[in-house]
Amino acid sequence: SQTIHQWPATLVQPVGSPLSLECTVEGTSNPNLYWYRQAAGRGLQLLFYSVGIGQISSEVPQNLSASRPQDRQFILSSKKLLLSDSGFYLCAWGQDNNEKLFFGSGTQLSVL
Amino acid sequence: SQQGEEDPQALSIQEGENATMNCSYKTSINNLQWYRQNSGRGLVHLILIRSNEREKHSGRLRVTLDTSKKSSSLLITASRAADTASYFCATDNTPLVFGKGTRLSVIA
Repeated sequence: SQTIHQWPATLVQPVGSPLSLECTVEGTSNPNLYWYRQAAGRGLQLLFYSVGIGQISSEVPQNLSASRPQDRQFILSSKKLLLSDSGFYLCAWGQDNNEKLFFGSGTQLSVL
Repeated sequence: SQQGEEDPQALSIQEGENATMNCSYKTSINNLQWYRQNSGRGLVHLILIRSNEREKHSGRLRVTLDTSKKSSSLLITASRAADTASYFCATDNTPLVFGKGTRLSVIA
């Protein structure tokens, strides 16, 4: 069966520090991978999506970046965090037709 | 990318009552999905309805789709406190985008 792992669950980082959030998927191949961010009590903002290794599309210009070094690994990074980067980050995967997305358990990031 | 827009933004009902939330979209679709998000958790897929379907059921969930009005509704019957969550719709796009959701509170 397919599973998705996302870590860490919570993270507190100072402004200006780097960030690396990792997401891995098991039990499937060539998934579409997504990073979303959710501000407190708000909807989901699509940050990045990937349809294959090395193929990253950015939906919103910001100081975040994403990479897909392996088929089932998706990494969200920042060189210098801003206060506005605080939020709940969700990784998700789906097959080609995107008829069902599977979400990770999320990372609550607080930038202080 | 098109996103669905859920309505109302928030809904509060008593346990046992039915809850109805709506989703509107702007362009033609092949399918529409509904997801649930419990506080502090990831989204969970509830149901998908295709453009050639008008109604679909799954347990206490009933989803309708009106392609002429570009809208869908999600009905939860006999609601329970455990149904308290945010509900999101998404249309068939790559990438999949979500609206702001409907926050449902079921009061015991």
